[in-house]
Amino acid sequence: EAGVAQSPRYKIIEKRQSVAFWCNPISGHATLYWYQQILGQGPKLLIQFQNNGVVDDSQLPKDRFSAERLKGVDSTLKIQPAKLEDSAVYLCASSSRLAGGPGGELFFGEGSRLTVL
Amino acid sequence: DAKTTQPPSMDCAEGRAANLPCNHSTISGNEYVYWYRQIHSQGPQYIIHGLKNNETNEMASLIITEDRKSSTLILPHATLRDTAVYYCIVRPWTDKLIFGTGTRLQVFP
Repeated sequence: EAGVAQSPRYKIIEKRQSVAFWCNPISGHATLYWYQQILGQGPKLLIQFQNNGVVDDSQLPKDRFSAERLKGVDSTLKIQPAKLEDSAVYLCASSSRLAGGPGGELFFGEGSRLTVL
Repeated sequence: DAKTTQPPSMDCAEGRAANLPCNHSTISGNEYVYWYRQIHSQGPQYIIHGLKNNETNEMASLIITEDRKSSTLILPHATLRDTAVYYCIVRPWTDKLIFGTGTRLQVFP
């Protein structure tokens, strides 16, 4: 079974520029997550989708971050304009379990490492 | 905020059992204990989860105390490839995982 695919693996931009990350979840997984992981910290949830609807975006800085999941499959996370503190690894994960129930595991991609200069 | 407390780092000799503790004294009755690990430059990987009973799979064993306020992840025969950050997570009655800072396990030869 193919895993969660993310691209690009690495991106370097200057502050105030924009960047987009792409995620292709495991086939058939209804729930998709984006996490931000700053160096030395655990991953922090930014947004959760179930199919193409947003379940939780309470931690997403909406003034500069946006995410969408068209057709309930692939997802993109965009940052515009980027700030120095956005330097982090952006992790995408998917799960076959629907929101609100116990059990089930999340499958993570390898992440996209963003450096903002 | 994470609802668990873990030691920041531990060492273990290769071939020995690694016992990683986790304190979750405020766990609710319907919350599960999950363990994930993150090897350097990779995404987190699911290890095991449990509610009340001890659990075992091909990767590890999970021991949960009777009062459910703490648990221990056991890697029975640690190898160098088990060097990683291990996260203990109490999963709320929603889908999301909330990560803390975890325990950095270093397995040495």
